[in-house]
Amino acid sequence: KNEVEQSPQNLTAQEGEFITINCSYSVGISALHWLQQHPGGGIVSLFMLSSGKKKHGRLIATINIQEKHSSLHITASHPRDSAVYICAVRSGNQFYFGTGTSLTVIP
Amino acid sequence: DGGITQSPKYLFRKEGQNVTLSCEQNLNHDAMYWYRQDPGQGLRLIYYSQIVNDFQKGDIAEGYSVSREKKESFPLTVTSAQKNPTAFYLCASSIEDRVKYGYTFGSGTRLTVV
Repeated sequence: KNEVEQSPQNLTAQEGEFITINCSYSVGISALHWLQQHPGGGIVSLFMLSSGKKKHGRLIATINIQEKHSSLHITASHPRDSAVYICAVRSGNQFYFGTGTSLTVIP
Repeated sequence: DGGITQSPKYLFRKEGQNVTLSCEQNLNHDAMYWYRQDPGQGLRLIYYSQIVNDFQKGDIAEGYSVSREKKESFPLTVTSAQKNPTAFYLCASSIEDRVKYGYTFGSGTRLTVV
């Protein structure tokens, strides 16, 4: 069983839709990261959270430490948001990665 | 601009050959990491180094080797002992306070064994 589980694995949305990607984890963590992997393979860090909520443009990330759950929301989705979104958690000196959610936004 | 440079972007290797993937960073980060990504799996840690001239095995180190002779560079050698080397390889780095600042990733190298 993976320490980090993401859902859904694949997601197709119409442009403009509100999107939610979920991440659950089973280990104690000091931080949770949301990463975006573009079709070419490069990864960028979107958020790092240890509590509460963060917002950057149309992206919102929340975390509930007690429930060991985080969500990434995209408002007013756009085709350029199409990518793989990866949840990662830091536990001690280890990082654990989810398998990613592949998002396709259709014009 | 500071960042991590991985080269080459695509690499083809014949079976039985060793191949070295380059990772260079100009971020003055202390720690560097190599991850492997396979379809349907999360990133898996191969090796990491927290300081020059020191490195530790990750979860899947067999068939790989690394060196950390300079702070800026952390090359990964995929040896002929690696049974299934075809994968996407990502290099990352972080400063000491990973809790606060997290990772910076390179753009990856896609290795194919032919």
